[in-house]
Amino acid sequence: GAGVSQSPRYKVAKRGQDVALRCDPISGHVSLFWYQQALGQGPEFLTYFQNEAQLDKSGLPSDRFFAERPEGSVSTLKIQRTQQEDSAVYLCASSLAPATGELFFGEGSRLTVL
Amino acid sequence: GENVEQHPSTLSVQEGDSAVIKCTYSDSASNYFPWYKQELGKRPQLIIDIRSNVGEKKDQRIAVTLNKTAKHFSLHITETQPEDSAVYFCAASISNYQLIWGAGTKLIIKP
Repeated sequence: GAGVSQSPRYKVAKRGQDVALRCDPISGHVSLFWYQQALGQGPEFLTYFQNEAQLDKSGLPSDRFFAERPEGSVSTLKIQRTQQEDSAVYLCASSLAPATGELFFGEGSRLTVL
Repeated sequence: GENVEQHPSTLSVQEGDSAVIKCTYSDSASNYFPWYKQELGKRPQLIIDIRSNVGEKKDQRIAVTLNKTAKHFSLHITETQPEDSAVYFCAASISNYQLIWGAGTKLIIKP
């Protein structure tokens, strides 16, 4: 496809369940970001990949959060033992170059933890 | 830590009037300042950006101004139209890849 694709668009999980969120970036884009967006707030940085290398995971809230991009394209954000405070929209974005420039966002995965 | 403050949180203007959204940043090393528009339920999209080597940039009805001394930048939309209604986010770079984001401004265009 032409844009960044995320799945699932909506996920409802019971507290304690594990979830996996997928991001398919624009082909050829080097950089991939995961952000968490709470209602009425701006995106909060979670982690950054340059190709398959995870260069920065300083924004991951706890060790329950794990992200990977094994072949430098598709990325998965995994949340283990979900908690209610994990409820948010998880946005993936990709960009062509490593340096700051236009980010192309997916439509997000809305996670609700009951 | 670094932060970006964005004001106002909600802005309501009459169709055809101008809208101005302001952001201040704390990291004096910031050198890239994008603005994104997010319509309800949709993905954020870049509308304009500016780098620290210029003070102003314009694209049709949209302009951004940057005051590095004051660590302040603003988005200006002239001749507002109903399709301008959205949430607008400013951001500032804090490294060569990472941005820190404002909390957003909900812009309402009244007919």
